[in-house]
Amino acid sequence: DVKVTQSSRYLVKRTGEKVFLECVQDMDHENMFWYRQDPGLGLRLIYFSYDVKMKEKGDIPEGYSVSREKKERFSLILESASTNQTSMYLCASSSSRDNLDEAFFGQGTRLTVV
Amino acid sequence: AQSVSQHNHHVILSEAASLELGCNYSYGGTVNLFWYVQYPGQHLQLLLKYFSGDPLVKGIKGFEAEFIKSKFSFNLRKPSVQWSDTAEYFCAVTGTGFQKLVFGTGTRLLVSP
Repeated sequence: DVKVTQSSRYLVKRTGEKVFLECVQDMDHENMFWYRQDPGLGLRLIYFSYDVKMKEKGDIPEGYSVSREKKERFSLILESASTNQTSMYLCASSSSRDNLDEAFFGQGTRLTVV
Repeated sequence: AQSVSQHNHHVILSEAASLELGCNYSYGGTVNLFWYVQYPGQHLQLLLKYFSGDPLVKGIKGFEAEFIKSKFSFNLRKPSVQWSDTAEYFCAVTGTGFQKLVFGTGTRLLVSP
């Protein structure tokens, strides 16, 4: 059974804190993605990676960075959390290098910045 | 830039009613199309997908979708909805040169018993 695991379901952080969101997949997928999900806005792509140590900006990368040191792990970093980063964060992975294949999602991390 | 439009943001139906959710995308090249569903408290999961071949694709739980290339559309349908279909539905597209999956804004479906 394919699995994408996000380290936390719920997080509460203070404004200005550095926040790490971790994601691990056990499917040996090349591609990994970070989205944020907000009501009425759907899923918006923050960053993605198609190989170890590779990263590409998505549609809303400002205020975020990522790290992919190992194939199975993709971390999202909020350098200095702000209240407008309160959201649901979804990690996903897919197997095709061309990104044409189905993506598998984690359960999501609901982050609240106070 | 590639985009996906889902015109129905909220849909309320009674059980046994028929469902059609609209999805239009903007991209002139070869596309792969997906519908994902998110049940309350659960992760996003694939409902169905179209890569090529028969433009009418069938997915899980009695859902189907039709790809109409001339209309850039991939509408989701179900002849008779159930209370358990209450969820949020997302249309998504990817294609040659995309390098990513582009999602629509989602449609919240509420099915009343």
